[in-house]
Amino acid sequence: EPEVTQTPSHQVTQMGQEVILRCVPISNHLYFYWYRQILGQKVEFLVSFYNNEISEKSEIFDDQFSVERPDGSNFTLKIRSTKLEDSAMYFCACTSPTGEYEQYFGPGTRLTVT
Amino acid sequence: GESVGLHLPTLSVQEGDNSIINCAYSNSASDYFIWYKQESGKGPQFIIDIRSNMDKRQGQRVTVLLNKTVKHLSLQIAATQPGDSAVYFCAEMAWSWGKLQFGAGTQVVVTP
Repeated sequence: EPEVTQTPSHQVTQMGQEVILRCVPISNHLYFYWYRQILGQKVEFLVSFYNNEISEKSEIFDDQFSVERPDGSNFTLKIRSTKLEDSAMYFCACTSPTGEYEQYFGPGTRLTVT
Repeated sequence: GESVGLHLPTLSVQEGDNSIINCAYSNSASDYFIWYKQESGKGPQFIIDIRSNMDKRQGQRVTVLLNKTVKHLSLQIAATQPGDSAVYFCAEMAWSWGKLQFGAGTQVVVTP
């Protein structure tokens, strides 16, 4: 069964550093999303991406965040200058443009900012 | 503001019993609702969904009920098993392929 993959599984970085989180969505899916989950809290929407542009973004997704689909398979989330409060699990999700609207989630990247 | 929330943070269920997890939502424009299961250290896993034009949908051992009048969603798990122990989230979507807005989550603990 096709699945979403994410790398790395755990990223530790110092405050102020740039990080790039990577995702490989399911191959025939065209809508892509990033969510985050601070430890013990609910999953929060960050951004959606379709047709090589941002469809929607939340208040969390400020100028420090960016997304990119550099090739036909990868979908990345970049945080330019990390803050302590960026520590969280980051989930990539995707969905097909036809049929059901179910979003398939990856296993997540745990980001720890020190 | 609009939100999706869960009534019970923790639900303890005896193995073999049925579980009911409840969720309240406030966005009357939401068209699509999903229940996700999240095991420790993993991403949310789809369980079952329902469109706003339906009241009930059944899957394998799971049933989702939608009451639009009171903006209430529930997930019923039949014959709960140890493998059902996880955090369960409801989520809503206002338009096709839009963002999911998640509730706070309910921890289900299955006891032998």
